[in-house]
Amino acid sequence: EAQLVESGGGLVQPGRSLKLSCSASGFTFGSYAMHWVRQAPGKGLEWVSGIKWKDYGTGYADAVRGRFTISRDDAKNTLYLEMNNVRPEDTALYYCTKDRGRGGYYGMDVWGQGTTVTVSS
Amino acid sequence: SYVPTQPPSVSVAPGQTARITCGGTNIGSHNVHWYQQKPGQAPVLVVFDNGDRPSGIPERFSGSSSGNAATLTISRVEAGDEADYYCQVWDGNSNSHTVFGGGTQLTV
Repeated sequence: EAQLVESGGGLVQPGRSLKLSCSASGFTFGSYAMHWVRQAPGKGLEWVSGIKWKDYGTGYADAVRGRFTISRDDAKNTLYLEMNNVRPEDTALYYCTKDRGRGGYYGMDVWGQGTTVTVSS
Repeated sequence: SYVPTQPPSVSVAPGQTARITCGGTNIGSHNVHWYQQKPGQAPVLVVFDNGDRPSGIPERFSGSSSGNAATLTISRVEAGDEADYYCQVWDGNSNSHTVFGGGTQLTV
């Protein structure tokens, strides 16, 4: 069974950095695009970033471009999200998701349970 | 940037048909996916590529897309279908690549 487990969330002060990790199992991690999706408390889903298979390309939401960096280590079956210069509006539950295909536009068929990031002084 | 619009809420009686729309300029030319999210749970993909279903999703869930609207249709609605539903649109012309609609709360 495909599974994603996020880690690395926590309380962080505005302007500081945080790195999220997502450990994958039960599928061939390197053959699929991956995404980060977040959900602020009581709000809807917001796509944050995505990365194609074999790191053939990345994409970012306007709200995080230039501050967040997505990366993957296929040897470790792990997806990362490096968050720099965080803001209070980055407070959310961050989900790691698997795409159905390699390009990142086929739908997200596996979701983790999320890791919570709280940005506050 | 492209932001699909969904009605905040839809209400339907058990056994009836629920239709949830996702609107946007020429959305019929984009791939649209639909997700179900129940309280305290991660979202689940229920329809992909406008109208296909992942394995394990009941045939009661179907999707269509044309012109400026995509629609998720849930037939013979059950109490267990009560959830928030989100459309996701891939926009190959956008630097942001993909966006979610604001979500629709389905009340049964």
